[in-house]
Amino acid sequence: KAGVTQTPRYLIKTRGQQVTLSCSPISGHRSVSWYQQTPGQGLQFLFEYFSETQRNKGNFPGRFSGRQFSNSRSEMNVSTLELGDSALYLCASSLLAGANEQFFGPGTRLTVL
Amino acid sequence: GNSVTQMEGPVTLSEEAFLTINCTYTATGYPSLFWYVQYPGEGLQLLLKATKADDKGSNKGFEATYRKETTSFHLEKGSVQVSDSAVYFCALILSNAGGTSYGKLTFGQGTILTVHP
Repeated sequence: KAGVTQTPRYLIKTRGQQVTLSCSPISGHRSVSWYQQTPGQGLQFLFEYFSETQRNKGNFPGRFSGRQFSNSRSEMNVSTLELGDSALYLCASSLLAGANEQFFGPGTRLTVL
Repeated sequence: GNSVTQMEGPVTLSEEAFLTINCTYTATGYPSLFWYVQYPGEGLQLLLKATKADDKGSNKGFEATYRKETTSFHLEKGSVQVSDSAVYFCALILSNAGGTSYGKLTFGQGTILTVHP
């Protein structure tokens, strides 16, 4: 069974631009969570989606948004990019909302110049 | 709030040495505990988990026991290999009394492990 896939793997943007990252969960998994990993702040939870609805949200500004499609694929969007948004963005899928085991993708490395 | 604290790294060991990485947590409710491993350039891989007090998670020679009385979940391995070199993260997720999680993993800061031949 294929794992979680994330596209693109690497991305370079400039300040003020916006970016969209994509995540395809493991087949049959219906819940997708997003995390930001930086050297300074470590791993921080962004949001969780299940059945196209945001179920939980972390403490990030409104520039960070996401959505989930009917096939469980998810996208996250960051608008008006700042230098501090440079990070590895990780997507994780789980079978259902409320399942405590999450499986991570390889991440998208975003660099903001 | 909920938090996870890991021992400061980096940890450097010789092959076949014994490994311990300490992890303590603060949480309300019913946390499940996890160890994830991250190899260079990759995402996180679930190494082991424990969902209730006194549970022992184990995988690939690694073990950790959920100790509610000391709020700890220390990772151990009896004999490390060079291939174990990676970053290790301790994490928790809260659940309600019925076992349904709230979906948010809280991570420790990570411990870099380097194993020399």
